[in-house]
Amino acid sequence: DAGITQSPRHKVTETGTPVTLRCHQTENHRYMYWYRQDPGHGLRLIHYSYGVKDTDKGEVSDGYSVSRSKTEDFLLTLESATSSQTSVYFCATYPAGGNTEAFFGQGTRLTVV
Amino acid sequence: ELKVEQNPLFLSMQEGKNYTIYCNYSTTSDRLYWYRQDPGKSLESLFVLLSNGAVKQEGRLMASLDTKARLSTLHITAAVHDLSATYFCAVDRSAGNMLTFGGGTRLMVKP
Repeated sequence: DAGITQSPRHKVTETGTPVTLRCHQTENHRYMYWYRQDPGHGLRLIHYSYGVKDTDKGEVSDGYSVSRSKTEDFLLTLESATSSQTSVYFCATYPAGGNTEAFFGQGTRLTVV
Repeated sequence: ELKVEQNPLFLSMQEGKNYTIYCNYSTTSDRLYWYRQDPGKSLESLFVLLSNGAVKQEGRLMASLDTKARLSTLHITAAVHDLSATYFCAVDRSAGNMLTFGGGTRLMVKP
């Protein structure tokens, strides 16, 4: 397995509270991504990063922000959690210039009550 | 906007039978990926298809890509119970290596 660690793996939080999910990689991959997975929707891209301090929005970015201060860490923050953000969140990484696949972390199950 | 559609969304089949999962996408791309996901688990890469006409096989699974038709297929030969999982195709929509996923095909193989 690619060295991708997500933390926490499970979290229950209350509506309106900020939440930060962490993705840590040991592969030195350039690209990092945050997806959410919901029944019937497959995986949808929230934000991505193409280098340290270089990030951009994906298709479902409202209510989320990200930061990447080091190559190995990509943080996803829910600024004020809502019930619609209850989901499973996956981090993924991809090496620069490689004709290979993206590698996924184990996922974080987030429940907003 | 790139759209990726898989069908069927759910597939129940008997062991020993053959079947094909289809993945259609809406805009030009020459990179397509197939992943497998077991319940409660992460995504496991199955195939990376990087050019028109690419065909890859691993065990009872074979994937192909037709970029002109914007279609990929995942063919299952002589299904076994261990293949029960959800299968996703994903298309790389830009040089930024951003994947757009299909909705997934949940496969159940019955003894």
